[in-house]
Amino acid sequence: DVKVTQSSRYLVKRTGEKVFLECVQDMDHENMFWYRQDPGLGLRLIYFSYDVKMKEKGDIPEGYSVSREKKERFSLILESASTNQTSMYLCASSLQGGGLNTQYFGPGTRLTVL
Amino acid sequence: AQTVTQSQPEMSVQEAETVTLSCTYDTSESDYYLFWYKQPPSRQMILVIRQEAYKQQNATENRFSVNFQKAAKSFSLKISDSQLGDAAMYFCAYIRVDSNYQLIWGAGTKLIIKP
Repeated sequence: DVKVTQSSRYLVKRTGEKVFLECVQDMDHENMFWYRQDPGLGLRLIYFSYDVKMKEKGDIPEGYSVSREKKERFSLILESASTNQTSMYLCASSLQGGGLNTQYFGPGTRLTVL
Repeated sequence: AQTVTQSQPEMSVQEAETVTLSCTYDTSESDYYLFWYKQPPSRQMILVIRQEAYKQQNATENRFSVNFQKAAKSFSLKISDSQLGDAAMYFCAYIRVDSNYQLIWGAGTKLIIKP
């Protein structure tokens, strides 16, 4: 089974702090994703990576950056956390090759910015 | 731009009964994929079922089936013999055939199972 893990289930940070959220997948997937989930808004794509060191902006990249130095690991970085970044963050991975490939999700990180 | 609408923020059903969750989408594409994902209270999102738009036959997976109406741009999920473990948020999602990643998500429907 595909396993996607995220570094923290719950995280509390202060405004202005630099925050790192890490995601690791064990199935050699090319694609990795970071989503933000807010009630009533569904999932919104922050960034997508289709290969090591490759990334594309999603729908809401402002205030975020990403890093993919190894195929299995995809990090989301909040350079200076703000209260409006309080949310649930979901990481996912999938095989490359078109839209039919299932995305496999991690358990999520509930981030609170005070 | 493509959009996905789930008009029911919350649904409830008695255990062992059948429930249908609604999803409509808007697209000008003729070929695409549709998905239903489930997010139980533990938060790990998992794929329930998927449908390829060029296939007329509705997809089924055990107790889960879809009613895909391409002309009406409707993609509802039917859960038969509802079980307590079906309680979750259900998300409908759409993706173009040629897209590698851009899933478009609905807002979700919270399904409550009454024992």
